[in-house]
Amino acid sequence: DIQMTQSPPSLSASVGDRLTITCRASQSISIYLNWYQQKPGKAPKLLIYGASSLQSGVPSRFSGSGSGTDFTLTISSLQPEDFATYYCQQSYITPRTFGQGTKVEIK
Amino acid sequence: QVQLQESGPGLVRPSEILSLTCTVSGGSISSYYWSWIRQPPGKGLEWIGYIYNSGSTNYNPSLKSRVTILIDMSKNQFSLKLSSVTAADTAVYYCARRKACSGGKCFDPFDYWGQGTLVTVSS
Repeated sequence: DIQMTQSPPSLSASVGDRLTITCRASQSISIYLNWYQQKPGKAPKLLIYGASSLQSGVPSRFSGSGSGTDFTLTISSLQPEDFATYYCQQSYITPRTFGQGTKVEIK
Repeated sequence: QVQLQESGPGLVRPSEILSLTCTVSGGSISSYYWSWIRQPPGKGLEWIGYIYNSGSTNYNPSLKSRVTILIDMSKNQFSLKLSSVTAADTAVYYCARRKACSGGKCFDPFDYWGQGTLVTVSS
């Protein structure tokens, strides 16, 4: 299985901050990397697919980059509704695997 | 707007079979891949497997010996059966749709999810 490692596991930030979360795959996955946002008690929501394509309806402050083994999710200006847990997921091969999550909390 | 809804027992006894159904509304179940994903309380996400409208399946090897996913096109539903459950199978179970290919490219993210249903394994 491909292991997905996110960093940091958690962080504290303020509204308006620029935020970057990283995800590293245990082997190359080209650009088959997706990002999700999950709020407590809710299902994950797709933000970014194919490493950098913005899902329809997702605000443009979210962006993704990377290829191979190293990827980043960036939030350009953190909004109150962005406090949540973020997961990366590889769709290069099965079994599909997720990172352990990055919890973004209010400073 | 496509909607997915999980249904099934919230409590299952150890060693028995966990059975869940996902009902898809607002769109056809055909021409898409459909997955089950689970999340133990306070933990991360684990992909269980997927099914296509032809009935072809792909399961996570870690669960393969215990998992069956079926599809019922006439009811716009697909289902999950997990046998010989233990407390380690306690989780919120989600059904999800794999996003269709776009521009000839298939990145296979999960674009629609059910709200999730908590299944507790306990005697």
